[in-house]
Amino acid sequence: SQTIHQWPATLVQPVGSPLSLECTVEGTSNPNLYWYRQAAGRGLQLLFYSVGIGQISSEVPQNLSASRPQDRQFILSSKKLLLSDSGFYLCAWALRDRGSLVGYTFGSGTRLTVV
Amino acid sequence: GDSVTQMEGPVTLSEEAFLTINCTYTATGYPSLFWYVQYPGEGLQLLLKATKADDKGSNKGFEATYRKETTSFHLEKGSVQVSDSAVYFCALSDNAGNNRKLIWGLGTSLAVNP
Repeated sequence: SQTIHQWPATLVQPVGSPLSLECTVEGTSNPNLYWYRQAAGRGLQLLFYSVGIGQISSEVPQNLSASRPQDRQFILSSKKLLLSDSGFYLCAWALRDRGSLVGYTFGSGTRLTVV
Repeated sequence: GDSVTQMEGPVTLSEEAFLTINCTYTATGYPSLFWYVQYPGEGLQLLLKATKADDKGSNKGFEATYRKETTSFHLEKGSVQVSDSAVYFCALSDNAGNNRKLIWGLGTSLAVNP
């Protein structure tokens, strides 16, 4: 079966510290993968997406970066966190049917609080 | 570019009330349309979808019909329950180019009181 794993579930980090959030998928190959952020009381903001190993598209310029070292692994990083980086981070994997995008499967999310 | 507009919340209803959450879209081509639900503290789950005009998506008592003439995909449920309290997101598939992204509405928070 196809599953997506995201960790950690919650994280409290001081300002200026580094960040690494990991997302892995199982049961598929060459998936399109996405990182979203959801600030409190707001909608979804697409941060990065990847269509293959080493291929990263950035949607919003900021102090975050993403990497895809393996086909089914997607990592969100920061060298120095800001207070404004607090939020709920969601990894997603695109579902396709005969080439058409038919939806996403989301991970359970990481609640990041920068203090 | 493509966009999705949802009614602003929060929406507060009593149990067994009728629910409508409006969603309209602008898009080139023929997008697929989706409703996702996010329960408190969790990720998003696909609630229902429709891939072409006049299709009706349904799940867990929720329904939405893809109306191309009004560019709408309103979510409805005849009798809401407390367990339906969540944030609901309308989205469409980006059919431009490589068809790689979903375009999201801002979400509508629903609170159902017993």
